[in-house]
Amino acid sequence: NAGVTQTPKFRILKIGQSMTLQCTQDMNHNYMYWYRQDPGMGLKLIYYSVGAGITDKGEVPNGYNVSRSTTEDFPLRLELAAPSQTSVYFCASSSHDQNTGELFFGEGSRLTVL
Amino acid sequence: QKEVEQNSGPLSVPEGAIASLNCTYSDRGSQSFFWYRQYSGKSPELIMFIYSNGDKEDGRFTAQLNKASQYVSLLIRDSQPSDSATYLCAVTGWTGNQFYFGTGTSLTVIP
Repeated sequence: NAGVTQTPKFRILKIGQSMTLQCTQDMNHNYMYWYRQDPGMGLKLIYYSVGAGITDKGEVPNGYNVSRSTTEDFPLRLELAAPSQTSVYFCASSSHDQNTGELFFGEGSRLTVL
Repeated sequence: QKEVEQNSGPLSVPEGAIASLNCTYSDRGSQSFFWYRQYSGKSPELIMFIYSNGDKEDGRFTAQLNKASQYVSLLIRDSQPSDSATYLCAVTGWTGNQFYFGTGTSLTVIP
């Protein structure tokens, strides 16, 4: 069972470069999320989507963009990378099932901006 | 700004003891409440969820919710060294679409 798959797992960027973090889920979940986690901190919501074609900002959207063209994919784009974007990024999905509504997480992508 | 607050710890308990983890939230419209466990270098995994006021028990874990006080807690009975991890409290906003996390409480169970 693949669940939520993120790529790449590790990446080093130079200041000003751009990149896309890929996220795919095979559970047919409508809801998808991008979080960042800084060392010793909790998860901060960057962007989320409630279905294909619909995205919305979370707590810390500046410097990021997303798209949701299909139910399965929810890529996160970093434009003009800055050292402040050094973090671990987690993609998650949810069915918002009435029983649990839990978030299923990918394994994370560790990004360093130098 | 939705706020979810937890004591960062670290919290240390001896093996076999009860560990008590606490969380408060600012949004009175929050609907659902979750406890996630995160081992170092790993992604969070769901431990418990609770929607209604009161207690909910699942094995060694008990979640307690008090919406009037905007407070949710997690009790871990008979703590084991394998319970050593960071515990994240998460709540959903009033729409139910967004999940907001606390900073987490680091728990160490001493053998």
